[in-house]
Amino acid sequence: GAVVSQHPSWVICKSGTSVKIECRSLDFQATTMFWYRQFPKQSLMLMATSNEGSKATYEQGVEKDKFLINHASLTLSTLTVTSAHPEDSSFYICSARTGGSNVLTFGAGSRLTVL
Amino acid sequence: AQSVTQLGSHVSVSEGALVLLRCNYSSSVPPYLFWYVQYPNQGLQLLLKYTSAATLVKGINGFEAEFKKSETSFHLTKPSAHMSDAAEYFCAVSEGGGGATNKLIFGTGTLLAVQP
Repeated sequence: GAVVSQHPSWVICKSGTSVKIECRSLDFQATTMFWYRQFPKQSLMLMATSNEGSKATYEQGVEKDKFLINHASLTLSTLTVTSAHPEDSSFYICSARTGGSNVLTFGAGSRLTVL
Repeated sequence: AQSVTQLGSHVSVSEGALVLLRCNYSSSVPPYLFWYVQYPNQGLQLLLKYTSAATLVKGINGFEAEFKKSETSFHLTKPSAHMSDAAEYFCAVSEGGGGATNKLIFGTGTLLAVQP
């Protein structure tokens, strides 16, 4: 079946640094990838939708300059948290689908802790 | 706009007992509905989905859900709970009825505990 890999699964960084999280579709071409953020004991909040080769579409309230999303190939999307602060600490999850499919495959998530 | 409401943030059942997790939806178009399971520190795994075909949908691990338009519900059930079912369960609706965007709107989740 379809597999989405996220890396790193855990990352700890100092306040003010930038962190990049990768999301890869391992056995299919992901025309669309979604990035979610999940706070402890809460649901997933969609941050942005990224289509290969075009700019990401951000949800209302999500700072595009803070959360840089790049979807340069059909198998890779990256989320960069720039100038991270403790309030950015969260669980970030990506999902991907191939064109014409109504099923999303989720990555295992990346837990970011900003000290 | 689509939305889902999950009643009960915590549900506790005994091993072998019936599992019932409730989900009600709101949608202006025929909805596509999903149930996902999340184990600690992991991503989401699709349990089952409703995409306007059969109203009773069977999923993995013995779970099933029934789409009831009259009640705007899509409750998740399993006849006999197993310890390994302990996890967080999310109901979701696809924005726009499952069209090209596939943006999922998630409920707040229900944490299922299974007691021995």
